[in-house]
Amino acid sequence: NAGVMQNPRHLVRRRGQEARLRCSPMKGHSHVYWYRQLPEEGLKFMVYLQKENIIDESGMPKERFSAEFPKEGPSILRIQQVVRGDSAAYFCASSPETVAYEQYFGPGTRLTVT
Amino acid sequence: SQKIEQNSEALNIQEGKTATLTCNYTNYSPAYLQWYRQDPGRGPVFLLLIRENEKEKRKERLKVTFDTTLKQSLFHITASQPADSATYLCAPLDGATNKLIFGTGTLLAVQP
Repeated sequence: NAGVMQNPRHLVRRRGQEARLRCSPMKGHSHVYWYRQLPEEGLKFMVYLQKENIIDESGMPKERFSAEFPKEGPSILRIQQVVRGDSAAYFCASSPETVAYEQYFGPGTRLTVT
Repeated sequence: SQKIEQNSEALNIQEGKTATLTCNYTNYSPAYLQWYRQDPGRGPVFLLLIRENEKEKRKERLKVTFDTTLKQSLFHITASQPADSATYLCAPLDGATNKLIFGTGTLLAVQP
């Protein structure tokens, strides 16, 4: 039973380019969460999605960032026109039920903006 | 705003001893509180969940307490081993927003 999968594991982008981060939740999980982690900081909630629906995007910057979880395929976190401050580790987690239950995290995507 | 505080300094203990990690929260009343382990370069791994009406929860060598009066959770690892060395994250659930809020974590180093 495969865990949460994220790809790519490492992503380097120049300022102004687009970054696409993918997350495949655990089998049977319909809830997906995205977090950002900066060095020496805690995990910061970005967005919570269910299939085809954004439930809570209150932690996601209004501009340049978007997320989706289509009926088929992985969840995508998209960052347009990346800036140096976007450099961080982005983690995806999934759960079988609502956020009150344990979350299973992927290995993360480390984004570096040069 | 909600605030979560975990021991900011690394905790160094000798193998075989009990490690105790502290998590304090302010400005909200979580209905649930979770603990995760994170190793360098990896995603967090769920360890335990405790509800506000539970005083204590155990799983093998792990024990978590939840004191809603003190607004504090304690995380214990008994008979610690070098393999327990990692960062441990506390994550209370904010009932108003239904979001897990993660602390910055405490780095535990178990010396052989």
